[in-house]
Amino acid sequence: AQRVTQPEKLLSVFKGAPVELKCNYSYSGSPELFWYVQYSRQRLQLLLRHISRESIKGFTADLNKGETSFHLKKPFAQEEDSAMYYCALRYRGSTLGRLYFGRGTQLTVWP
Amino acid sequence: EAQVTQNPRYLITVTGKKLTVTCSQNMNHEYMSWYRQDPGLGLRQIYYSMNVEVTDKGDVPEGYKVSRKEKRNFPLILESPSPNQTSLYFCASSRGTSGIGETQYFGPGTRLLVL
Repeated sequence: AQRVTQPEKLLSVFKGAPVELKCNYSYSGSPELFWYVQYSRQRLQLLLRHISRESIKGFTADLNKGETSFHLKKPFAQEEDSAMYYCALRYRGSTLGRLYFGRGTQLTVWP
Repeated sequence: EAQVTQNPRYLITVTGKKLTVTCSQNMNHEYMSWYRQDPGLGLRQIYYSMNVEVTDKGDVPEGYKVSRKEKRNFPLILESPSPNQTSLYFCASSRGTSGIGETQYFGPGTRLLVL
């Protein structure tokens, strides 16, 4: 069963436009949610985690337990934001430490 | 510099010829994992290890083996590679298994082509 769903494979916006990458998860307990980013020909790297409530590179994400969502948002997209974005879930307190990834959304920001 | 390294970075082989992809981390991490990345399928976990001599199957373990004899190394073994194992492989590690907010550090990836 897909634990993390990213409904959009591809997302295109123009520079300066707002962008939202959707992520929904299926888990009834208290999850830990992460967003990872992979720039062209580079390794995956952590963008942000919900537990920190941080803003990285202008991106924010709020965990909405009612809607079981963890959408990634940025008010003004930049060309350098073009990348593959993965939402990931970990069961809080899990002794396994496994991360479950969504299938990813390829974001393209046009000039 | 704290990092996860993989070798080789690129590999072309033929069906049935055994190969090993190495993964090493210098952060004294307990948890290590292998993923494969395929277009449209995202990242799928192959195997993971919670500590030395402790390994378990992920979501797509068929056709792969792993070992964890030392904390820093976690090689991925393809005993008899097949074309459907053509993929981009990532190794990852993390400090612990239950720390809140614990995240994984990824290697640079190994691109494998099986003819």
